[in-house]
Amino acid sequence: DTAVSQTPKYLVTQMGNDKSIKCEQNLGHDTMYWYKQDSKKFLKIMFSYNNKELIINETVPNRFSPKSPDKAHLNLHINSLELGDSAVYFCASSHSAALVAKNIQYFGAGTRLSVL
Amino acid sequence: GQNIDQPTEMTATEGAIVQINCTYQTSGFNGLFWYQQHAGEAPTFLSYNVLDGLEEKGRFSSFLSRSKGYSYLLLKELQMKDSASYLCAVSPITDSWGKLQFGAGTQVVVTP
Repeated sequence: DTAVSQTPKYLVTQMGNDKSIKCEQNLGHDTMYWYKQDSKKFLKIMFSYNNKELIINETVPNRFSPKSPDKAHLNLHINSLELGDSAVYFCASSHSAALVAKNIQYFGAGTRLSVL
Repeated sequence: GQNIDQPTEMTATEGAIVQINCTYQTSGFNGLFWYQQHAGEAPTFLSYNVLDGLEEKGRFSSFLSRSKGYSYLLLKELQMKDSASYLCAVSPITDSWGKLQFGAGTQVVVTP
């Protein structure tokens, strides 16, 4: 039943490790997003894919690599994790990025990443 | 770029009305969205405005003035469950469709 689901919900790991977060949506949406919410609760866009094509790539270290095997999935792989990567990462999806009315974004429950 | 300003925190009593203001500066504008986020949970969509005026959805209403770069979210008949952070987000005109720029959020505390 969950519209946008992401796993894992919690991720605790050591500096220097590589980790992945998975996201799936069953809403039939064309567009998916990754956001980072830091300790100050500021929600910032990282990446967006529309029908498996990258359309938004903010100034994010290239240690972060998104992958979209199909339009229902958008995964995030992070290499060489650093302390500053600790945050909550949210996946989201919308019908389409092209029209504001269809760009209502639905968020997953978040992945709480702690880098030790 | 976009600057989005909203108050950090507001407190109101149950049954009252609270108005959360949001001002923005953007080089182009597609629309403005309001989201609610309870502590430890995902943001959930409340309302959006593209044209000037008021959009009403039950106890929540959102207003937009594009010429003033100003919006507000009005919460009526406050309930304890309305205690949450309210995020204002602007959809700018850029090459990147779908991009939303979020404000830092306004924490609303509802007291009995």
